[in-house]
This record gives sequence, C-alpha cells and structure tokens, in this order.
Amino acid sequence: DVKVTQSSRYLVKRTGEKVFLECVQDMDHENMFWYRQDPGLGLRLIYFSYDVKMKEKGDIPEGYSVSREKKERFSLILESASTNQTSMYLCASSLYRVHGNTIYFGEGSWLTVV
Amino acid sequence: QKEVEQNSGPLSVPEGAIASLNCTYSDRVSQSFFWYRQYSGKSPELIMSIYSNGDKEDGRFTAQLNKASQYVSLLIRDSQPSDSATYLCAVRTGNMLTFGGGTRLMVKP
Repeated sequence: DVKVTQSSRYLVKRTGEKVFLECVQDMDHENMFWYRQDPGLGLRLIYFSYDVKMKEKGDIPEGYSVSREKKERFSLILESASTNQTSMYLCASSLYRVHGNTIYFGEGSWLTVV
Repeated sequence: QKEVEQNSGPLSVPEGAIASLNCTYSDRVSQSFFWYRQYSGKSPELIMSIYSNGDKEDGRFTAQLNKASQYVSLLIRDSQPSDSATYLCAVRTGNMLTFGGGTRLMVKP
C-alpha cells in the first residue's frame, strides 16, 4: 500500500513564526502535491512538484514556499505564519502527473496560527 | 478559474435509503471525474471514477455522468451509518485536478 506520511498532525504556532510541514511518501512517486482544505472550499492546490528540485505554483501559492530535495520528501514552508493560514494541510503523491485515481493523500496536518 | 460546485449539505438520509450527491463543473473540456470519501479527521479516499457519459456501478455506488449538462452524480444505495462522511467531487481538465467543496452526508439509523 502507498503510504504518505505527514509527520505533524496538530500544530499551534504564533503569528510570524516560520512553520515547516513535512511529507514523506514510500512509493517512489515523482509527483507530490500540497493542498489546503477549508470548510466549504474543498481542496485548493498550493504547490506541486514533478521531480526533485522542481516546484510549480498551484492556485494559492501566496505566503507559502516548498522544498523538494529528495524524491520521497516534499516540505511546505510558511515563512511568516498568519492567522488566515489556519487550516488543514494535505500532502499527496501520485504515480502520474495529474490523474485522480492515482493520487494518494496523507492524513493531514491541522495548523492553528494564533 | 475552473469551478466544481457541490451542495455543502448536510444531506440527511435514513438508513437503507438512496443518497444522491450532485456535482456540476464549469469547463466543457473536462475529461475525468472522481468521487472521494473523507471521514472526519481523515484523508480523502477514492471511491469512484468515471470517464464517459452514462452510469458506472460498483457495489452500492453508482456514478452518473452527463457531459452535455456538465453534471456528475454519485448514488449510494442501501445507505449505511458508516457511509456518513464528506464526499468530494474532483474533475480533471488537462493537467489540473480541481476539487469541489464537498457534501456532508449523514445517514441516520
């Protein structure tokens, strides 16, 4: 089974702090994604990566950056956390670039910024 | 901006009834359509995919696609309390996968 692991499930951070959300997948997938999920808004794509060292902006990249130094690991960085970044963050990996039936999600990271 | 719309619910149905979940999308060239189930506090999991007009059945689940009306639906027959979850519709257009806001389904015993 594909496993996508998000190391931090619940975090509380202060406004202005730098926040790292880590994601690791064990299926050698080239494609990895970060989404945020807010009530009524569904999943919105923040950033994605098709290969090591590659990154591309999704629909809502403002206030975020990412790092992909190794194939299995994709990190989401909030350089200066703000209260409007309080959300649930989902990491995903996929065998193909974009195909809804090959995308696997992690369990999510609940971030509260106070 | 490509849009995928779902009624947020909650949709409440009695146990054993048919639950009907609906999704509309804005881009006529969308190619692939997916339904995910997400239990509270858990990650989404794929339950159905559909690519061509008509119905596709898998156990108690039936996905229906009407590209002319830009409409995709999910029917759950013999609904069980364990079906209570949020159901996300996702639409693939080109290289983008766009999710709807989800419909919360509550199946009452």
